[in-house]
Amino acid sequence: KQEVTQIPAALSVPEGENLVLNCSFTDSAIYNLQWFRQDPGKGLTSLLLIQSSQREQTSGRLNASLDKSSGRSTLYIAASQPGDSATYLCAAIDSWGKLQFGAGTQVVVTP
Amino acid sequence: DGGITQSPKYLFRKEGQNVTLSCEQNLNHDAMYWYRQDPGQGLRLIYYSQIVNDFQKGDIAEGYSVSREKKESFPLTVTSAQKNPTAFYLCASTRSWSGRGNEQFFGPGTRLTVL
Repeated sequence: KQEVTQIPAALSVPEGENLVLNCSFTDSAIYNLQWFRQDPGKGLTSLLLIQSSQREQTSGRLNASLDKSSGRSTLYIAASQPGDSATYLCAAIDSWGKLQFGAGTQVVVTP
Repeated sequence: DGGITQSPKYLFRKEGQNVTLSCEQNLNHDAMYWYRQDPGQGLRLIYYSQIVNDFQKGDIAEGYSVSREKKESFPLTVTSAQKNPTAFYLCASTRSWSGRGNEQFFGPGTRLTVL
């Protein structure tokens, strides 16, 4: 069974620093990997979807990499802002479209 | 605007009651999903439906039931058999069930509390 781990569970950085969030998964036979943002009490907002044939995906200040052979994905957020404070979740997607989630990394960006 | 709506936002249930959570999407997506989120944990899959009139159990289906009579709607019933139903419930959809290239989009969630 796929297991997804996110380390660290929480992270605090000063504004302007780059953020590096890690996601590891045990079964490399994933179809896609998706990164989400969740604000307190809200639903999930999709940030990036990386297909299994891709090694990275970029959107604005966000860049996500995928290394299937090592079972790892990393989300980079450049020049962090207080508005980036949220919980970030990664999910491994199987061939049936089912997602297996990590527990998330709670990020606080201090002004 | 296309999207996923969930209602109600907050729901309170007494012991022994069945309650139904609504999920509607106007994205013309084929597949829909229900997840449960507990504090400090990731989301866990309850049920999913890849097409109308068909649905499958997820990892924690016991105590829950669903129906998929219309493409747009995927209601979740939390029955009295669910022993610990207090949680945040999230509905999601994707264009098709095939994992390739399909992002999963989420609704705003329903917070269920057992009194």
